[in-house]
Amino acid sequence: AQSVTQLDSQVPVFEEAPVELRCNYSSSVSVYLFWYVQYPNQGLQLLLKYLSGSTLVESINGFEAEFNKSQTSFHLRKPSVHISDTAEYFCAVTTLGGSARQLTFGSGTQLTVLP
Amino acid sequence: DGGITQSPKYLFRKEGQNVTLSCEQNLNHDAMYWYRQDPGQGLRLIYYSQIVNDFQKGDIAEGYSVSREKKESFPLTVTSAQKNPTAFYLCASGTGVGYTFGSGTRLTVV
Repeated sequence: AQSVTQLDSQVPVFEEAPVELRCNYSSSVSVYLFWYVQYPNQGLQLLLKYLSGSTLVESINGFEAEFNKSQTSFHLRKPSVHISDTAEYFCAVTTLGGSARQLTFGSGTQLTVLP
Repeated sequence: DGGITQSPKYLFRKEGQNVTLSCEQNLNHDAMYWYRQDPGQGLRLIYYSQIVNDFQKGDIAEGYSVSREKKESFPLTVTSAQKNPTAFYLCASGTGVGYTFGSGTRLTVV
């Protein structure tokens, strides 16, 4: 079975500052990794995903995440945040192979961007 | 546009009452999921279905029931046996490379 740990439940940061949201996973087999974003009273939206290939993946709104197999991490970063980035961010993992292909989610990190 | 529709957006339940949350998708996905979200606890899997007429319990299935009579639809019933149903409920469908989520239903016991 796989598991996901998001190390910070709350991350406050000032506008235009860089931010890193940490995610570590545990799995005995190869994985796919995801970051989702949730705005208040809405569903989750896929931000970016790592399936294979380049270990650095990017989203259209300036976020990036790097898959580090040796450290079993998939941290999310942005060099300069905006007020509109305030949201909850969830890291998720699923394992390759098998039929279930269920996603396991972390407990979430609330990013609050301060003016 | 393809997507998932959850209804209603807000739902109020009286003690001892069963309520049903609707989830419809037009993405042609075989697999569908129901999650419960409580503050600070992330998403917890209630039920999932990989194919029509088949579904499995997730981590917190007690007090809930589902059906999957059509590929497009996966309704969730919150029964009176669920003692603490107040939460945000999310439906999703997907493949092994990611899920698409609905916009959620907020259920409150009054």
